[in-house]
Amino acid sequence: IAGITQAPTSQILAAGRRMTLRCTQDMRHNAMYWYRQDLGLGLRLIHYSNTAGTTGKGEVPDGYSVSRANTDDFPLTLASAVPSQTSVYFCASSDGAGARRNEQFFGPGTRLTVL
Amino acid sequence: GDSVTQMEGPVTLSEEAFLTINCTYTATGYPSLFWYVQYPGEGLQLLLKATKADDKGSNKGFEATYRKETTSFHLEKGSVQVSDSAVYFCALSDSNSGYALNFGKGTSLLVTP
Repeated sequence: IAGITQAPTSQILAAGRRMTLRCTQDMRHNAMYWYRQDLGLGLRLIHYSNTAGTTGKGEVPDGYSVSRANTDDFPLTLASAVPSQTSVYFCASSDGAGARRNEQFFGPGTRLTVL
Repeated sequence: GDSVTQMEGPVTLSEEAFLTINCTYTATGYPSLFWYVQYPGEGLQLLLKATKADDKGSNKGFEATYRKETTSFHLEKGSVQVSDSAVYFCALSDSNSGYALNFGKGTSLLVTP
């Protein structure tokens, strides 16, 4: 079982370019999340999805969009990248039901540098 | 809104020393509380959790007790090892964002031989 995979592992991107970070999970989890990690700020929620077909905004959604066409995939798109979006991005998922709904499993992360 | 405050690092300890990392929270409801660990170059892993007041989470020698009266969830370990060197994050679940996690800023721990 792979768990959660993210691609690419790292990327250097010119400002103004469009970029999609991919996230796939094989655990059939209902809920998925995107966080960014910045030194001294911890992890902050960008967007989330409670189930396929629905999405919601987190703490720092500006400049990012997501879609949830199916259970397994939750891509994050930067329509026009800016240097302040340089960060490490983590995708996570959770069962979304009952007592285990809060426990999240994290992918390995994507390190993005916007120049 | 809900928030988590944890002690700032870095924390440097000698092997076999006692570890405490303080974490306090602010929440309107009764969130679940978590400690996650991030080893160098890796993603986050769940270390332990507690879902209600007075629950004690434990794993790999680490413990934390959900204290509603002091709104705290301090992480402790009696004898740290070099392999415990990592960044530790305290977090709470936020029912307002699909039960996403609201993280503290992280505490870096370095254990020296």
